Amino acid sequence: EVQLVQSGAEVKKPGESLKISCKGSGYSFTTYWIGWVRQMPGKGLEWMGIIYPGDSTTRYSPSFQGQVAMSADKSINTAYLLWSSLKASDTAMYYCARGSSPIKFDYWGQGTLVTVSS
Amino acid sequence: QSALTQPPSASGSPGQSVTISCTGTSSDVGGYKYVSWYQQHPGKAPKLMIYEVTKRPSGVPDRFSGSKSGNTASLTVSGLQAEDEADYYCCSYAGSNNFGVFGGGTKLTVL
Repeated sequence: EVQLVQSGAEVKKPGESLKISCKGSGYSFTTYWIGWVRQMPGKGLEWMGIIYPGDSTTRYSPSFQGQVAMSADKSINTAYLLWSSLKASDTAMYYCARGSSPIKFDYWGQGTLVTVSS
Repeated sequence: QSALTQPPSASGSPGQSVTISCTGTSSDVGGYKYVSWYQQHPGKAPKLMIYEVTKRPSGVPDRFSGSKSGNTASLTVSGLQAEDEADYYCCSYAGSNNFGVFGGGTKLTVL
């Protein structure tokens, strides 16, 4: 059974760093993209970017380029989304999803809620 | 990259059909055969309903269908059922500089 399990909710202060994770199981982790999608409170889905764990190739939306980083550790089937300096506007639910293409996300994680508040 | 344009809301009675539009440009929807549709119930992760404009993943009822004409893609839900009430998002490939873009979402209400 394909599963993506994300790390738990986070509460951080502005300026702090953060890394959230997404662990895949039940499929070949290195042969599918992992995409990241943001959903701000009460708002729609936003395509952030994708990473190919096989070779760590990344593609970012221009809106998120430089704001976040994506990485993957294929030895433990885990992808990461990283912030070096959080802002209050980063408060959102973040989903990871398995992609056989940049926009075909067929399995999703349960989401990680990130709250940034002073 | 601007979000694709969807109507904020749509509605229909049980058994009826409803179509949700998704309008982009020739740089995204109109330029590629890569449009997906996602269903999201409150508090849940999105679910893939349609990919590559018209294809349904295994397990998605054939009441859901997709199409595209020019810069506008559409999702049609036939034989509406109560459980179809959800938010629906389109997503298009937008080329090698932007890659992916979602629509703003449409709240489907089953009356």
